[in-house]
This record gives sequence, C-alpha cells and structure tokens, in this order.
Amino acid sequence: KAGVTQTPRYLIKTRGQQVTLSCSPISGHRSVSWYQQTPGQGLQFLFEYFSETQRNKGNFPGRFSGRQFSNSRSEMNVSTLELGDSALYLCASSPRGGQGYEQYFGPGTRLTVT
Amino acid sequence: QKEVEQDPGPLSVPEGAIVSLNCTYSNSAFQYFMWYRQYSRKGPELLMYTYSSGNKEDGRFTAQVDKSSKYISLFIRDSQPSDSATYLCAIPSGNTPLVFGKGTRLSVIA
Repeated sequence: KAGVTQTPRYLIKTRGQQVTLSCSPISGHRSVSWYQQTPGQGLQFLFEYFSETQRNKGNFPGRFSGRQFSNSRSEMNVSTLELGDSALYLCASSPRGGQGYEQYFGPGTRLTVT
Repeated sequence: QKEVEQDPGPLSVPEGAIVSLNCTYSNSAFQYFMWYRQYSRKGPELLMYTYSSGNKEDGRFTAQVDKSSKYISLFIRDSQPSDSATYLCAIPSGNTPLVFGKGTRLSVIA
C-alpha cells in the first residue's frame, strides 16, 4: 500500500502571501490530521478531518484552515504568512481517527517564510 | 504542567548499548501510548503502540508503561547506528489525536 504523500515537499514564500499544502492519505483511511513541527515547539496539532468534516481543531489562529475532499484527500491553507509560520507541516492519516487509532505520517512539507 | 514531557537530549551511546528513552504524562486517564521514530528530513514513523499498563516487545524494542508513576519508556537493545534518530512519545488526549513530547535525539556511535 502506498504511504501518505504530501505536496509540495519544499516551499519558499514571502510574508503576507498565502500557501496551500496538499495531502493524500493511505488508501482506505478516512481521517486526516495536520501538525506543525518546529524546533522550539515540537509537533503541534492543527486540525483533524473525517469524512469531509473538521472534527477537531488545535490552538492555532484562524489564518490556518483546511478541508477534506470526498476522496479523503486534504488541503491546508495558511493566509497572510508570518515569519513564525516557517515549519515542517506534517499530514497523518488514520483508518478512523480519534483515540486509539494509529496515525501514519507523510514526509512533510518544509515551508520557509522570508 | 504540559500533558507530555520528554527530555530532548541529545543522547549519544556506543553501538551495542541498551538505550532507555522516557516520557512523563500528566493525566492518569490516558490509556494509549505510542512511540514514533523520526529520521532527519522525514516524517515520524510509528514504532510501538501500547494500551494501558505493562510491557510490549517487538524485536530489539520494548515499550513499558507505568501508570502508577505516569511514566512511559522505550528500551532499545543492541543499539545500531541505524537507530540514530529522534524518538517521540505520543498520547491521544481529549480532542487531540496525538499530543507529542518534544522528542529525544539519539546518536548511536559505531
């Protein structure tokens, strides 16, 4: 089975711009979660989608948003980029999501904001 | 108090050593405990997954949960240079699929 794929792998943007990142989950997985990883804060939960509905959301500003499509693919969007948004953005998929189900991570998208 | 705390290291050991990696957690209601390994420039990969207390063994890796102390451990026997990575403990909590420790960077020196 193919793993979680994320595109693009690397991205450089300027402050004030917006960016869209894409994630394709493992086939058959219906839950997709997004995380931000930085050296200072580690891995922090952004949001979780299940069957096209946002199920949970982490403590991030409204500039961070996401969606999930009927084929379970997901996108996240960050508007009005700030320097502090530079991070590795990781997508994880799970068969059903929620507690007790393993999450499988993609390789991440490395976003640099200049 | 953070929900999950982990010593970031770094930890450097000689090849063949036994490695002990540890995390503490705050909520005694937690039931699921996971360990992920992350190589440089890669996403985390699930290593071990345990439910409730006790030990779970998988090859050279053993995960241990002590619910009375709210302490989880990952032991690596006969460590290899290929084990050099960052190890993250992770626990599902409330509405968050996973809350992660900061990760411990391990280097196994040949």
